[in-house]
Amino acid sequence: DGGITQSPKYLFRKEGQNVTLSCEQNLNHDAMYWYRQDPGQGLRLIYYSQIVNDFQKGDIAEGYSVSREKKESFPLTVTSAQKNPTAFYLCASSHNEQFFGPGTRLTVL
Amino acid sequence: RKEVEQDPGPFNVPEGATVAFNCTYSNSASQSFFWYRQDCRKEPKLLMSVYSSGNEDGRFTAQLNRASQYISLLIRDSKLSDSATYLCVVTPFTGRRALTFGSGTRLQVQP
Repeated sequence: DGGITQSPKYLFRKEGQNVTLSCEQNLNHDAMYWYRQDPGQGLRLIYYSQIVNDFQKGDIAEGYSVSREKKESFPLTVTSAQKNPTAFYLCASSHNEQFFGPGTRLTVL
Repeated sequence: RKEVEQDPGPFNVPEGATVAFNCTYSNSASQSFFWYRQDCRKEPKLLMSVYSSGNEDGRFTAQLNRASQYISLLIRDSKLSDSATYLCVVTPFTGRRALTFGSGTRLQVQP
């Protein structure tokens, strides 16, 4: 089946640790995106990539990093510099309309 | 001012009712408009795109008013399964196809 997968579904992190969230798509989409969602709020753009080996900061990129070495993969690293990382993280890809993965819930203990 | 504003609700309506949501956007250069549906603790899913001429998909009708910079979604004959949060979404400008999301309007359809 074509789609977007994210792993893990739930992730717990201690303060001061970096963690990497996985996002893979087999839709052959060039563009991929990372958003975060906080309770009762809309999605906010962290990073996006319109083509392999290129990516751009979104509205809230501080404390995050990404790579786009393969078309299918767009991992997000949440670094210790991110002051409030507990959130629901959503990866998306698009040709025209955007399709989302099931998300990763990150909790900092 | 937020780029995309929605009434958070909740809208509590009985089954069979007609309900309408509005959304306003601040950037007049916005290019594309969508309604997404998000169930509790799930990812958003595209409900429908919104075209200048208006468009309908079954019980759902979307309208765009560029002059007043608002988008509407009308749901007729509400079903219990329509209970969800409805997100108004715009693409702010060309060159960056990432979406700008409203905070969502919560709909609860009651038996």
